[in-house]
Amino acid sequence: GAVVSQHPSWVICKSGTSVKIECRSLDFQATTMFWYRQFPKQSLMLMATSNEGSKATYEQGVEKDKFLINHASLTLSTLTVTSAHPEDSSFYICSANFRDRGRWEQYFGPGTRLTVT
Amino acid sequence: GEDVEQSLFLSVREGDSSVINCTYTDSSSTYLYWYKQEPGAGLQLLTYIFSNMDMKQDQRLTVLLNKKDKHLSLRIADTQTGDSAIYFCAESLSSGSARQLTFGSGTQLTVLP
Repeated sequence: GAVVSQHPSWVICKSGTSVKIECRSLDFQATTMFWYRQFPKQSLMLMATSNEGSKATYEQGVEKDKFLINHASLTLSTLTVTSAHPEDSSFYICSANFRDRGRWEQYFGPGTRLTVT
Repeated sequence: GEDVEQSLFLSVREGDSSVINCTYTDSSSTYLYWYKQEPGAGLQLLTYIFSNMDMKQDQRLTVLLNKKDKHLSLRIADTQTGDSAIYFCAESLSSGSARQLTFGSGTQLTVLP
């Protein structure tokens, strides 16, 4: 149980276009999902907390108009990178909260590699 | 503020034990975690320890927590080539659903044959 998937696993797009990344909890419902960004050989940087049915909470320095987050259902959150630029190239990872034996845990998706040319 | 630090690299020979260290600054942390990330993949939860525990063992993994020094370590016994990966420690201030994890920089473990 507690499997999180992401789609696509990798994507290449041209500068100026928008890209949507999906994060799904496959066998559980997640009211809260998190979006992270990871640069090569670096740690995960939390971008935003996605709450089902309400607006996402963005971390300081993350542009909410550039990184649009929609958590329309209990099993799906999407991250749209709008007007992508090469500096947006990164590895994007989502996680979903799951209550396991009375304790909340975060389960991570496999990540999406975005390359902007 | 919250800050989690790890050494960046560790190399060991196959069959030896690996010890990955982590220090954190927030004494309010209630849970501390170890995650494993293989190349091009997401994070896999390996183990966790509650802050009122000193040690936790799970098969080849042993977690030691020194709360006074805010030091956490992960020992992998009989390290195998499949253990080569990046290992992240992370802290959480509570087990509440909206609490975020703060990650360390990650330690690249290389297992030599």
